[in-house]
Amino acid sequence: DAGVIQSPRHEVTEMGQEVTLRCKPISGHDYLFWYRQTMMRGLELLIYFNNNVPIDDSGMPEDRFSAKMPNASFSTLKIQPSEPRDSAVYFCASSPQTFDEQYFGPGTRLTVT
Amino acid sequence: SQKIEQNSEALNIQEGKTATLTCNYTNYSPAYLQWYRQDPGRGPVFLLLIRENEKEKRKERLKVTFDTTLKQSLFHITASQPADSATYLCALENNAGNMLTFGGGTRLMVKP
Repeated sequence: DAGVIQSPRHEVTEMGQEVTLRCKPISGHDYLFWYRQTMMRGLELLIYFNNNVPIDDSGMPEDRFSAKMPNASFSTLKIQPSEPRDSAVYFCASSPQTFDEQYFGPGTRLTVT
Repeated sequence: SQKIEQNSEALNIQEGKTATLTCNYTNYSPAYLQWYRQDPGRGPVFLLLIRENEKEKRKERLKVTFDTTLKQSLFHITASQPADSATYLCALENNAGNMLTFGGGTRLMVKP
Protein backbone atom coordinates (compact mmCIF):
# COMPACT_ATOMS: atom_id res chain seq x y z
CA ASP A 1 0.00 0.00 0.00
CA ALA A 2 1.23 3.49 -0.79
CA GLY A 3 0.19 4.81 2.60
CA VAL A 4 -1.98 7.83 3.18
CA ILE A 5 -1.85 10.19 0.21
CA GLN A 6 -2.42 13.92 0.49
CA SER A 7 -2.58 16.62 -2.13
CA PRO A 8 -1.41 19.20 -2.72
CA ARG A 9 1.81 19.05 -0.71
CA HIS A 10 2.10 22.82 -0.70
CA GLU A 11 -0.56 25.44 -1.17
CA VAL A 12 -0.08 29.19 -1.24
CA THR A 13 -3.19 31.29 -1.53
CA GLU A 14 -4.43 34.76 -0.83
CA MET A 15 -6.71 35.68 2.01
CA GLY A 16 -10.35 35.18 1.12
CA GLN A 17 -9.77 32.39 -1.37
CA GLU A 18 -11.22 28.92 -1.04
CA VAL A 19 -8.77 26.12 -0.26
CA THR A 20 -9.44 22.41 -0.69
CA LEU A 21 -7.13 19.78 0.75
CA ARG A 22 -7.45 16.17 -0.33
CA CYS A 23 -6.75 12.84 1.29
CA LYS A 24 -6.78 9.20 0.26
CA PRO A 25 -6.63 6.89 3.30
CA ILE A 26 -5.11 3.44 3.43
CA SER A 27 -7.46 0.89 1.93
CA GLY A 28 -9.39 -1.02 4.57
CA HIS A 29 -9.00 1.60 7.28
CA ASP A 30 -12.37 2.55 8.72
CA TYR A 31 -11.23 5.74 10.46
CA LEU A 32 -9.99 8.96 8.91
CA PHE A 33 -8.67 11.96 10.82
CA TRP A 34 -7.80 15.52 9.89
CA TYR A 35 -5.18 17.32 12.02
CA ARG A 36 -3.59 20.74 11.95
CA GLN A 37 -0.05 21.41 13.20
CA THR A 38 1.41 24.78 14.12
CA MET A 39 4.37 25.79 16.24
CA MET A 40 2.12 27.54 18.73
CA ARG A 41 -0.60 24.92 19.18
CA GLY A 42 1.13 21.70 18.16
CA LEU A 43 -0.86 18.90 16.54
CA GLU A 44 -4.63 19.32 16.91
CA LEU A 45 -7.42 17.00 15.85
CA LEU A 46 -9.98 18.82 13.72
CA ILE A 47 -12.47 16.12 12.75
CA TYR A 48 -12.67 12.39 12.29
CA PHE A 49 -14.82 9.97 10.31
CA ASN A 50 -15.85 6.37 10.85
CA ASN A 51 -16.99 4.50 7.77
CA ASN A 52 -17.35 7.81 5.91
CA VAL A 53 -19.56 9.34 8.61
CA PRO A 54 -18.32 12.38 10.58
CA ILE A 55 -18.16 11.39 14.23
CA ASP A 56 -16.73 14.40 16.00
CA ASP A 57 -15.99 17.82 14.54
CA SER A 58 -15.52 19.64 17.83
CA GLY A 59 -11.97 20.51 16.85
CA MET A 60 -12.99 22.41 13.73
CA PRO A 61 -12.06 25.99 14.54
CA GLU A 62 -15.05 27.70 12.94
CA ASP A 63 -17.68 27.55 10.24
CA ARG A 64 -15.16 28.45 7.58
CA PHE A 65 -13.87 24.90 7.86
CA SER A 66 -15.77 21.93 6.46
CA ALA A 67 -14.86 18.32 5.75
CA LYS A 68 -16.46 15.60 3.69
CA MET A 69 -15.87 11.95 3.00
CA PRO A 70 -18.00 10.94 0.01
CA ASN A 71 -16.54 7.42 -0.10
CA ALA A 72 -14.08 5.17 1.69
CA SER A 73 -11.14 6.26 -0.42
CA PHE A 74 -11.44 10.03 -0.47
CA SER A 75 -11.86 12.95 1.91
CA THR A 76 -11.61 16.72 1.58
CA LEU A 77 -11.02 19.54 4.02
CA LYS A 78 -12.21 22.89 2.75
CA ILE A 79 -11.52 26.36 4.10
CA GLN A 80 -13.71 29.14 2.76
CA PRO A 81 -12.77 31.94 3.04
CA SER A 82 -9.17 31.38 4.05
CA GLU A 83 -7.37 33.69 6.48
CA PRO A 84 -3.65 34.15 7.28
CA ARG A 85 -4.15 32.47 10.67
CA ASP A 86 -5.11 29.28 8.86
CA SER A 87 -1.50 28.90 7.75
CA ALA A 88 -0.31 25.56 9.09
CA VAL A 89 0.50 22.01 8.06
CA TYR A 90 -2.62 19.91 7.67
CA PHE A 91 -2.31 16.17 8.12
CA CYS A 92 -4.68 13.41 7.21
CA ALA A 93 -4.38 10.10 9.06
CA SER A 94 -6.21 6.79 8.93
CA SER A 95 -6.44 3.79 11.22
CA PRO A 96 -8.18 0.42 11.31
CA GLN A 97 -9.54 0.99 14.81
CA THR A 98 -10.46 4.31 16.43
CA PHE A 99 -7.39 6.10 17.74
CA ASP A 100 -5.07 3.10 17.77
CA GLU A 101 -1.93 3.27 15.67
CA GLN A 102 -2.71 6.06 13.26
CA TYR A 103 -1.00 6.30 9.90
CA PHE A 104 -0.28 9.86 8.85
CA GLY A 105 0.07 11.29 5.40
CA PRO A 106 2.92 13.62 4.41
CA GLY A 107 0.83 16.71 5.11
CA THR A 108 -0.15 19.81 3.16
CA ARG A 109 1.69 22.98 4.03
CA LEU A 110 -0.81 25.83 3.64
CA THR A 111 0.28 29.43 3.48
CA VAL A 112 -2.37 32.14 3.34
CA THR A 113 -1.04 35.58 2.51
CA SER B 1 -8.10 21.18 32.47
CA GLN B 2 -6.48 18.29 30.66
CA LYS B 3 -2.83 18.75 29.88
CA ILE B 4 -0.02 16.74 28.31
CA GLU B 5 3.49 17.96 28.96
CA GLN B 6 6.68 17.03 27.18
CA ASN B 7 10.00 18.78 27.60
CA SER B 8 9.99 21.51 24.97
CA GLU B 9 13.75 21.86 25.16
CA ALA B 10 15.78 19.69 22.82
CA LEU B 11 17.54 16.70 24.29
CA ASN B 12 21.14 16.36 23.12
CA ILE B 13 22.95 13.10 23.74
CA GLN B 14 26.01 11.28 22.49
CA GLU B 15 25.73 8.35 20.12
CA GLY B 16 25.57 5.05 21.99
CA LYS B 17 23.95 6.50 25.09
CA THR B 18 20.38 5.92 26.22
CA ALA B 19 17.91 8.70 25.51
CA THR B 20 15.02 9.12 27.93
CA LEU B 21 12.03 11.29 27.08
CA THR B 22 9.21 12.13 29.46
CA CYS B 23 5.48 12.56 28.97
CA ASN B 24 3.46 13.81 31.93
CA TYR B 25 -0.28 14.25 31.93
CA THR B 26 -2.95 15.73 34.19
CA ASN B 27 -6.70 15.13 34.39
CA TYR B 28 -6.59 12.17 32.04
CA SER B 29 -7.54 8.60 32.78
CA PRO B 30 -6.15 7.01 29.64
CA ALA B 31 -6.72 3.41 28.73
CA TYR B 32 -3.53 3.63 26.69
CA LEU B 33 -0.77 5.96 25.62
CA GLN B 34 1.02 6.18 22.29
CA TRP B 35 4.41 7.40 21.10
CA TYR B 36 5.10 8.76 17.62
CA ARG B 37 8.20 9.94 15.82
CA GLN B 38 8.15 12.95 13.51
CA ASP B 39 10.92 13.96 11.13
CA PRO B 40 11.06 17.48 9.64
CA GLY B 41 8.62 17.90 6.78
CA ARG B 42 6.92 14.57 7.41
CA GLY B 43 3.91 13.23 9.23
CA PRO B 44 4.18 11.48 12.59
CA VAL B 45 4.99 7.78 12.50
CA PHE B 46 3.52 5.42 15.09
CA LEU B 47 6.09 3.69 17.30
CA LEU B 48 4.48 2.07 20.32
CA LEU B 49 1.21 1.81 22.21
CA ILE B 50 1.14 0.86 25.87
CA ARG B 51 -2.05 0.02 27.76
CA GLU B 52 -2.88 0.98 31.33
CA ASN B 53 -2.39 -2.56 32.58
CA GLU B 54 1.07 -2.79 31.00
CA LYS B 55 3.95 -1.35 32.99
CA GLU B 56 6.51 -1.68 30.24
CA LYS B 57 6.69 -2.42 26.55
CA ARG B 58 9.67 -3.00 24.29
CA LYS B 59 10.32 -2.92 20.57
CA GLU B 60 13.87 -3.43 19.40
CA ARG B 61 15.90 -0.57 20.97
CA LEU B 62 12.78 1.19 22.23
CA LYS B 63 11.24 0.83 25.67
CA VAL B 64 8.18 2.58 27.04
CA THR B 65 6.96 2.63 30.64
CA PHE B 66 3.57 3.76 31.83
CA ASP B 67 2.94 4.75 35.46
CA THR B 68 -0.73 5.61 35.96
CA THR B 69 -0.06 6.61 39.58
CA LEU B 70 2.59 9.14 38.64
CA LYS B 71 0.65 9.97 35.47
CA GLN B 72 3.81 9.63 33.48
CA SER B 73 5.28 7.71 30.58
CA LEU B 74 8.98 7.37 29.88
CA PHE B 75 10.31 6.62 26.41
CA HIS B 76 13.80 5.15 26.17
CA ILE B 77 16.02 4.62 23.15
CA THR B 78 19.02 2.47 23.98
CA ALA B 79 22.28 2.54 22.01
CA SER B 80 21.10 5.73 20.33
CA GLN B 81 22.19 6.56 16.79
CA PRO B 82 22.25 9.82 14.83
CA ALA B 83 19.39 8.39 12.75
CA ASP B 84 17.25 8.50 15.91
CA SER B 85 17.35 12.30 15.81
CA ALA B 86 13.76 13.47 15.44
CA THR B 87 10.86 14.88 17.43
CA TYR B 88 9.00 12.39 19.59
CA LEU B 89 5.36 12.91 20.45
CA CYS B 90 3.22 11.22 23.05
CA ALA B 91 -0.53 11.02 22.63
CA LEU B 92 -3.49 10.22 24.86
CA GLU B 93 -7.14 9.54 24.27
CA ASN B 94 -9.30 11.97 26.21
CA ASN B 95 -11.66 10.79 28.92
CA ALA B 96 -14.68 11.01 26.63
CA GLY B 97 -12.95 8.72 24.18
CA ASN B 98 -13.62 10.99 21.24
CA MET B 99 -10.28 12.66 20.72
CA LEU B 100 -6.59 11.85 20.60
CA THR B 101 -4.52 14.67 22.04
CA PHE B 102 -0.82 15.03 21.32
CA GLY B 103 1.85 16.52 23.51
CA GLY B 104 4.04 19.26 22.09
CA GLY B 105 6.87 16.82 21.43
CA THR B 106 10.51 16.68 22.42
CA ARG B 107 13.25 17.07 19.87
CA LEU B 108 16.07 14.54 20.25
CA MET B 109 19.49 15.21 18.77
CA VAL B 110 21.99 12.33 18.79
CA LYS B 111 25.51 13.46 18.05
CA PRO B 112 28.15 11.12 16.57
